Amino acid sequence: AQSVTQPDIHITVSEGASLELRCNYSYGATPYLFWYVQSPGQGLQLLLKYFSGDTLVQGIKGFEAEFKRSQSSFNLRKPSVHWSDAAEYFCAVGGNTGTASKLTFGTGTRLQVTL
Amino acid sequence: SAVISQKPSRDICQRGTSLTIQCQVDSQVTMMFWYRQQPGQSLTLIATANQGSEATYESGFVIDKFPISRPNLTFSTLTVSNMSPEDSSIYLCSVDPTGGNIQYFGAGTRLSVL
Repeated sequence: AQSVTQPDIHITVSEGASLELRCNYSYGATPYLFWYVQSPGQGLQLLLKYFSGDTLVQGIKGFEAEFKRSQSSFNLRKPSVHWSDAAEYFCAVGGNTGTASKLTFGTGTRLQVTL
Repeated sequence: SAVISQKPSRDICQRGTSLTIQCQVDSQVTMMFWYRQQPGQSLTLIATANQGSEATYESGFVIDKFPISRPNLTFSTLTVSNMSPEDSSIYLCSVDPTGGNIQYFGAGTRLSVL
């Protein structure tokens, strides 16, 4: 069964500081990996995805993530955090299981940004 | 991507009643998904709803409690039946518009059951 672990429930960083959110996954084959962001009262917005190829993927809002197969990780990074980045971040794993792409989400990391 | 509208955005309901949540997409999509996000928790897939077939429910979710309709390629409903306070959650629909294994989400329906 596929699973996702986000070990950090809550992270606080200062505006302008760098950010790394951790994500570890378990999946029996090559995974499809995603990062979503959920702002208060909002739905989920896709930040970036990894399917294959270059293991460093760029996303929206200046985010990037690196797929490390040996570590079963897909950590999200941003070099300089803005106050508007405060939100809940979810890592998810999926795969091409026939005609349905089921996603399994981690428990999320809440990011707080201090000014 | 796709633009997904959910109605209602929030509701407060009494125990024992039912609520139907609507999900409208701005383009035709084959696969739609319904998720539940309990307070402080992650998202859990309730069911996959493909047009022209019965919804496929995940373990722990049953059709009698969460009946789903999918009358066409742009619309779906999820009903939360005989509600209890434990059903208080955010319910989200998502779509995979291209069949490329990328899901886009609506803003969700925030449900409180008293």
